[in-house]
Amino acid sequence: AQSVTQLGSHVSVSEGALVLLRCNYSSSVPPYLFWYVQYPNQGLQLLLKYTTGATLVKGINGFEAEFKKSETSFHLTKPSAHMSDAAEYFCAVSGDGNQFYFGTGTSLTVIP
Amino acid sequence: GAVVSQHPSRVICKSGTSVKIECRSLDFQATTMFWYRQFPKKSLMLMATSNEGSKATYEQGVEKDKFLINHASLTLSTLTVTSAHPEDSSFYICSASAGRVTEAFFGQGTRLTVV
Repeated sequence: AQSVTQLGSHVSVSEGALVLLRCNYSSSVPPYLFWYVQYPNQGLQLLLKYTTGATLVKGINGFEAEFKKSETSFHLTKPSAHMSDAAEYFCAVSGDGNQFYFGTGTSLTVIP
Repeated sequence: GAVVSQHPSRVICKSGTSVKIECRSLDFQATTMFWYRQFPKKSLMLMATSNEGSKATYEQGVEKDKFLINHASLTLSTLTVTSAHPEDSSFYICSASAGRVTEAFFGQGTRLTVV
């Protein structure tokens, strides 16, 4: 079985500051891990994903995440927050490639 | 990435009526489509998975007679909310995949309001 825990339902950062959104997963098999962003009343846009290979994954809009098996984590980071980064972020895991299990989401606020 | 189009983006219907939501993969053949429901400030809840030409597989607790899913072609799946009630008001999102979820793409979502 797979599950995802996103620590912090709300995160606020100042514009230009580091963004760190936390995601821990549970999976009985090697996981596929994803980060999605959702803007109000819109669907989900893939930021990045880890399937196999390099554990540091770079995505769109300057985001990256590192798969740490020993910590069962897949935290999302961005060196410098931009106002346009304000949105809801979802971490998701898939164990068999056939179904997503989503976290409860983290709402990111960027303070000017 | 591939494009998945969901229509309509917003719909308001009267209680007791039915409403159909379409999900189309515009530039690839989607062998599998997923339908999710999202409550305010909540995560996405998988409602059902459909494979082209087969009956949808519903998640536990989802009423299959209320949420009718049809995946008649490799580019179109529809979700029909039958006899809608105000508690069915929600944001519904589809995603489509040519294979595994690692390659799934999401639609823009449909905001359903039942009055």
